[in-house]
Amino acid sequence: DGGITQSPKYLFRKEGQNVTLSCEQNLNHDAMYWYRQDPGQGLRLIYYSQIVNDFQKGDIAEGYSVSREKKESFPLTVTSAQKNPTAFYLCASSIKGGELFFGEGSRLTVL
Amino acid sequence: AQSVSQHNHHVILSEAASLELGCNYSYGGTVNLFWYVQYPGQHLQLLLKYFSGDPLVKGIKGFEAEFIKSKFSFNLRKPSVQWSDTAEYFCAVQGTGFQKLVFGTGTRLLVSP
Repeated sequence: DGGITQSPKYLFRKEGQNVTLSCEQNLNHDAMYWYRQDPGQGLRLIYYSQIVNDFQKGDIAEGYSVSREKKESFPLTVTSAQKNPTAFYLCASSIKGGELFFGEGSRLTVL
Repeated sequence: AQSVSQHNHHVILSEAASLELGCNYSYGGTVNLFWYVQYPGQHLQLLLKYFSGDPLVKGIKGFEAEFIKSKFSFNLRKPSVQWSDTAEYFCAVQGTGFQKLVFGTGTRLLVSP
């Protein structure tokens, strides 16, 4: 089945550790996105990528990093510089200018 | 830069009541508009979208939305809600020419049986 796979679904980490969240899509979409969802704040864009080997910062990129070495993959690293990393992270993909298709999300808890 | 405002953060309705959720956006150019829904425990899915043409768009599960350009609004409506419509609803705007998609803060709808 075509879709977006995020892993892991749940992740616990200690403060000061970097964490990488995986996002893979087999929809052949050019664009991929990472959003963060917090209660009462909606979805806020962290990073997005329109083509392979290129990506742009979103509204809350500080403390995060990404790479886009393959069309189907867009991993997100939550670094120790992120001050409030506990959140629900959503990956999405789209054709250029089209609707976004979302994965099921990864819930990160930093202890 | 685009921004989206959803005025109702929590809405509680009884089954069969009519629903209207407000969405206003701020952007100087042409936009694409979306409503997404997140049912409890499920991933975000598209409810409906407006790119161009008829400003009244119909989506899944009996939902519709009207784009009023002069008011920068894209309100979501449903004539008669069901208990299964309990979910969080997000309005989103995208400037045409592949600008990033910006979401509102969401509206939690609770429909009581």
